[in-house]
Amino acid sequence: DAGVTQSPTHLIKTRGQQVTLRCSPKSGHDTVSWYQQALGQGPQFIFQYYEEEERQRGNFPDRFSGHQYPNYSSELNVNALLLGDSALYLCASSFTGRSGNTIYFGEGSWLTVV
Amino acid sequence: EDKVVQSPLSLVVHEGDTVTLNCSYEVTNFRSLLWYKQEKKAPTFLFMLTSSGIEKKSGRLSSILDKKELFSILNITATQTGDSAVYLCAVEAGSSNTGKLIFGQGTTLQVKP
Repeated sequence: DAGVTQSPTHLIKTRGQQVTLRCSPKSGHDTVSWYQQALGQGPQFIFQYYEEEERQRGNFPDRFSGHQYPNYSSELNVNALLLGDSALYLCASSFTGRSGNTIYFGEGSWLTVV
Repeated sequence: EDKVVQSPLSLVVHEGDTVTLNCSYEVTNFRSLLWYKQEKKAPTFLFMLTSSGIEKKSGRLSSILDKKELFSILNITATQTGDSAVYLCAVEAGSSNTGKLIFGQGTTLQVKP
């Protein structure tokens, strides 16, 4: 049973470019949440997808957008990249209605913006 | 605004020492508090706490929640170098179990031989 998988693991982009990060949730999970973790900080909630719609959103600008597909996999898109977008992006999957100890994290995607 | 604060932010100890990590929170509609260990990549789950005063234990690690004073502590006894990591405290809050977590800044623990 595969856990949460994310791709790519590392990438380097230039300011102003766009990036797409991908996440496949744990089998049986229907909800995907994305977090941004800057160096030395705790993860910050970006948004959450359930039933192919954005259900909740954190305090992030519209440059951050996402999508969820019918198979529950998800993408995080960031447009007009800034140096400050450099971070570890974590995907977490869960089954809606279940409590916090059933949340599983992927290994993350390290994004460096130069 | 929902907030989770951890202290200390960093800690250096020697093997065999006991450490106590702190987490305080101010959230609306508290549901649970979780502790994670993070070594470079994905946070790994340690404990989930929902009730005050009930200690959770796993080997040398233990944790307890005080819902009146809005804080939790994570204790690690007889520390080992393998305990070196970032320890994250997170709170799940809201009207239902949506899976959204509010994290603290993390405590970086370094255990020296």
